[in-house]
Amino acid sequence: GAVVSQHPSRVICKSGTSVKIECRSLDFQATTMFWYRQFPKQSLMLMATSNEGSKATYEQGVEKDKFLINHASLTLSTLTVTSAHPEDSSFYICSARRGLAGASWQYFGPGTRLTVT
Amino acid sequence: AQKITQTQPGMFVQEKEAVTLDCTYDTSDQSYGLFWYKQPSSGEMIFLIYQGSYDEQNATEGRYSLNFQKARKSANLVISASQLGDSAMYFCAMSNTNAGKSTFGDGTTLTVKP
Repeated sequence: GAVVSQHPSRVICKSGTSVKIECRSLDFQATTMFWYRQFPKQSLMLMATSNEGSKATYEQGVEKDKFLINHASLTLSTLTVTSAHPEDSSFYICSARRGLAGASWQYFGPGTRLTVT
Repeated sequence: AQKITQTQPGMFVQEKEAVTLDCTYDTSDQSYGLFWYKQPSSGEMIFLIYQGSYDEQNATEGRYSLNFQKARKSANLVISASQLGDSAMYFCAMSNTNAGKSTFGDGTTLTVKP
């Protein structure tokens, strides 16, 4: 089966610093990756769609200057939370879409728990 | 726009019994996919079952089956012979075949009682 990894799994950072989260598709090429945010006991909220070689598409209400997304290769997308604040503390999950248009499957990473102190 | 509605915030079931988790959806797309995921306390999203909008038969995967009623726009998950390890949050999701991105419901927390 398709495997998606995320690194780190947990990170604690101080307010004002930036933190980078990596999402890798280990055994397939992903032209599209998605970044979600999840608060405790709540649903997954799509933050942005990351396409390899082009700018990410952000959902309404998501600050693109705060959540920088880079999809430099077919197997790696990164989410950088810039100038993090305690309210950015959350569970961040990425997923990778396998195949081209017409395929709706996504494979999820294990998630990254970010705590900003 | 796509919308997924899960009306059961929490459900309890006795071990070894069957349970149905409700999911209704709304979309103007003709081609779409419906998914169910399990999220244990560890946080990882575990894929359970998939139903394509053009699939005529209900999907089944082991103890999981999806009761797909297209006219009613419902895609309920049935878990047979519940196990203690089934206790988790369950999400229903829909994906547009072309765009690929998914819309998730609010989730149902299932607790299996011994």
